Amino acid sequence: GEDVEQSLFLSVREGDSSVINCTYTDSSSTYLYWYKQEPGAGLQLLTYIFSNMDMKQDQRLTVLLNKKDKHLSLRIADTQTGDSAIYFCAESILAGGFKTIFGAGTRLFVKA
Amino acid sequence: NAGVMQNPRHLVRRRGQEARLRCSPMKGHSHVYWYRQLPEEGLKFMVYLQKENIIDESGMPKERFSAEFPKEGPSILRIQQVVRGDSAAYFCASSPRAQEQYFGPGTRLTVT
Repeated sequence: GEDVEQSLFLSVREGDSSVINCTYTDSSSTYLYWYKQEPGAGLQLLTYIFSNMDMKQDQRLTVLLNKKDKHLSLRIADTQTGDSAIYFCAESILAGGFKTIFGAGTRLFVKA
Repeated sequence: NAGVMQNPRHLVRRRGQEARLRCSPMKGHSHVYWYRQLPEEGLKFMVYLQKENIIDESGMPKERFSAEFPKEGPSILRIQQVVRGDSAAYFCASSPRAQEQYFGPGTRLTVT
């Protein structure tokens, strides 16, 4: 089946690193994504990783993929109050075109 | 290059009326996706369209909901005879290829 799971909440202090975790079930995933959603806004694509990669780094963001365990994580270095948002993990599977399955989102609270 | 545009941003309908949500993809994007987000939940895939074709509508309710992406003009998500349970945020995303999706700001539908 198709399912993406995330923890619902994460609270960190400003300046610390945040790690948001996600697990997925479909082994035919081709791409895995992290999106950010601020209140009242749409989703902003932060980064994505091909399923044959282990890691991708982009400035303060590091994505780690453990394909064996179907586990994806997003690390945000030097977390700022502006990073407070909901972070969605998503996987794309090839099913007559790419179909994207989203997790329920992790609410990140950054304390000053 | 303007981003994905959706209008209206907010839509209020009485039960039994029709709701028409419009999505203009980014220039050069030929793939359009519609998602529904209920309060405190993640996005649920509804339908994936390319110009004049529905590629995957596995997430669309069987009745009252329809979507189109004509050769000219925006993609339209149409909900007939709305009910209170249709109240949600509806997001459109567009893509130049099947895997990268760029989201619009959403239309928040309230059914009274």
